[in-house]
Amino acid sequence: GQSLEQPSEVTAVEGAIVQINCTYQTSGFYGLSWYQQHDGGAPTFLSYNALDGLEETGRFSSFLSRSDSYGYLLLQELQMKDSASYFCAVRGSGYSTLTFGKGTMLLVSP
Amino acid sequence: SQTIHQWPATLVQPVGSPLSLECTVEGTSNPNLYWYRQAAGRGLQLLFYSVGIGQISSEVPQNLSASRPQDRQFILSSKKLLLSDSGFYLCAWSTSYGSPAAGANVLTFGAGSRLTVL
Repeated sequence: GQSLEQPSEVTAVEGAIVQINCTYQTSGFYGLSWYQQHDGGAPTFLSYNALDGLEETGRFSSFLSRSDSYGYLLLQELQMKDSASYFCAVRGSGYSTLTFGKGTMLLVSP
Repeated sequence: SQTIHQWPATLVQPVGSPLSLECTVEGTSNPNLYWYRQAAGRGLQLLFYSVGIGQISSEVPQNLSASRPQDRQFILSSKKLLLSDSGFYLCAWSTSYGSPAAGANVLTFGAGSRLTVL
């Protein structure tokens, strides 16, 4: 099966940079994804890595190291609206399915 | 463009009553369809997924069931709800893995159905 670990909570101030780490265990690997979920809402897709390295999408970047079974989501120029939960998810041997981490709650303060 | 609809948005049900949540996808064909559940303040637990009509895979044995009567319709049901069934139920779709490999990593979720069992 698959399992993922990520911090439960991270705090930062507006304008800062924050990194949310994710380590995973999986048999087979077909990608690491990141999702954002605001309180009361549904998760929305942010980024995806299938190969090692950095993927940049605006203020958000995601990094993957397959040899370390590790990835992170980097959020730059933090805004209050970035306060949300962030989930990493891995597609492993369950080829059609994603297994999600428990989520990291990001609190951005003024 | 593709859209996903899920209903009802909120429901309060007594223990032992039946449940039916429905999800439909528009603008795509042969999607992979998923039901996830999220307990308060917790992660997303995969309940069922389907790669085609009538094809249902269950990830967690419980008193819930799922059906896919049409290509873009996914239904979550229960004959008798338990208190532990309370939670936020999310339907999602992705392209099938036969499409570009990245497709199955990108889930698009419905707005969710918040179920309270009393």
